[in-house]
Amino acid sequence: AQSVAQPEDQVNVAEGNPLTVKCTYSVSGNPYLFWYVQYPNRGLQFLLKYITGDNLVKGSYGFEAEFNKSQTSFHLKKPSALVSDSALYFCAVRASLRRAGSYQLTFGKGTKLSVIP
Amino acid sequence: SAVISQKPSRDICQRGTSLTIQCQVDSQVTMMFWYRQQPGQSLTLIATANQGSEATYESGFVIDKFPISRPNLTFSTLTVSNMSPEDSSIYLCSVEATEGETQYFGPGTRLLVL
Repeated sequence: AQSVAQPEDQVNVAEGNPLTVKCTYSVSGNPYLFWYVQYPNRGLQFLLKYITGDNLVKGSYGFEAEFNKSQTSFHLKKPSALVSDSALYFCAVRASLRRAGSYQLTFGKGTKLSVIP
Repeated sequence: SAVISQKPSRDICQRGTSLTIQCQVDSQVTMMFWYRQQPGQSLTLIATANQGSEATYESGFVIDKFPISRPNLTFSTLTVSNMSPEDSSIYLCSVEATEGETQYFGPGTRLLVL
């Protein structure tokens, strides 16, 4: 079974400082990895993904994430946090090869990011 | 990415009633999905909505409780039947992008069952 762990329920960071939101995963075979952001009373917005290739992927709003196969991690990062980045962040994984009939995208429990002015 | 809309955006319902949630996409998509996000929890896949055939349900979810329709490639409905307070959640539809990798989500339907 595939799983995602986001070990921090909440991350607090001062505006202008770098931020990291942690994610580790477990999946059979090669992973497809995703980060989504959820603002209050809004749906999920796609930020970035790792499918193959360069381990450092860049996404929307200045976010990036680094895939580390040996550590099975996919941490989300941003060099300089903005107050507007405050939201709930979800990491998700699925196997690159689907079992017949299964399209399961497994999500972590989410990390609440608070950027303090 | 596709533009996805859901109706209603929120509702308050009485125990024992049913609610049908609509999901509309602005382009034809092969794969559509329904998720549930219980209060303070992560997202859980309910089912894959298949066009022209019965939905594929994940473990723990059954058709009698969550009937799904998918009449064409741009529209799907999810019904939450015989509701109880435990059904209070956000229900989200999603679609898979044409490259077959990324899922994009609608704004969600916030359901409160009293």
